[in-house]
Amino acid sequence: KQEVTQIPAALSVPEGENLVLNCSFTDSAIYNLQWFRQDPGKGLTSLLLIQSSQREQTSGRLNASLDKSSGRSTLYIAASQPGDSATYLCAVMGVVEYALNFGKGTSLLVTP
Amino acid sequence: EAGVAQSPRYKIIEKRQSVAFWCNPISGHATLYWYQQILGQGPKLLIQFQNNGVVDDSQLPKDRFSAERLKGVDSTLKIQPAKLEDSAVYLCASSLGFWYNEQFFGPGTRLTVL
Repeated sequence: KQEVTQIPAALSVPEGENLVLNCSFTDSAIYNLQWFRQDPGKGLTSLLLIQSSQREQTSGRLNASLDKSSGRSTLYIAASQPGDSATYLCAVMGVVEYALNFGKGTSLLVTP
Repeated sequence: EAGVAQSPRYKIIEKRQSVAFWCNPISGHATLYWYQQILGQGPKLLIQFQNNGVVDDSQLPKDRFSAERLKGVDSTLKIQPAKLEDSAVYLCASSLGFWYNEQFFGPGTRLTVL
């Protein structure tokens, strides 16, 4: 069964810093990997989707990379802002299990 | 483009009562998912529909949970009878198809079982 781990569980940084969130998964047989943002009491907002054949995706200040062979993905946030404060979730769609398997998330706090 | 709609947003019930949640996916999305998210955890898939057929319900506690997607559009998820451990946020998501397609989530229904 696919296991997804996110490190760190929580992170606090001052505004303006660049930061990296990490995601690892145990089974490299995946269709895609998706990064989400979740604000308190809200649903999930899709940030980036990386297909298994791709190495990275970019959207504004966000850049996500995928190394399928080593079972790792990183989400890079440039020039962080207080509005980036949220929980970031990584999820993989496996070839065997037709479902997104989620990590527990990284809770990010960006202080002014 | 309208997003995934869910109702109600909040529900409080006593254990052993029944409850139902409703979801309307993004127009044209063939695949619909129900997830359960317990506090501090990532969402866990309960059931997945492709049009009005079930693709995967392996993690749905079928003795108390049921779901349907009549006419391949909106869907309802029911719990009967509810247990304390069912307290969670129930999220609905949709996508154009599965495997390669991005999933879009609704705001969720927060269920509290007392």
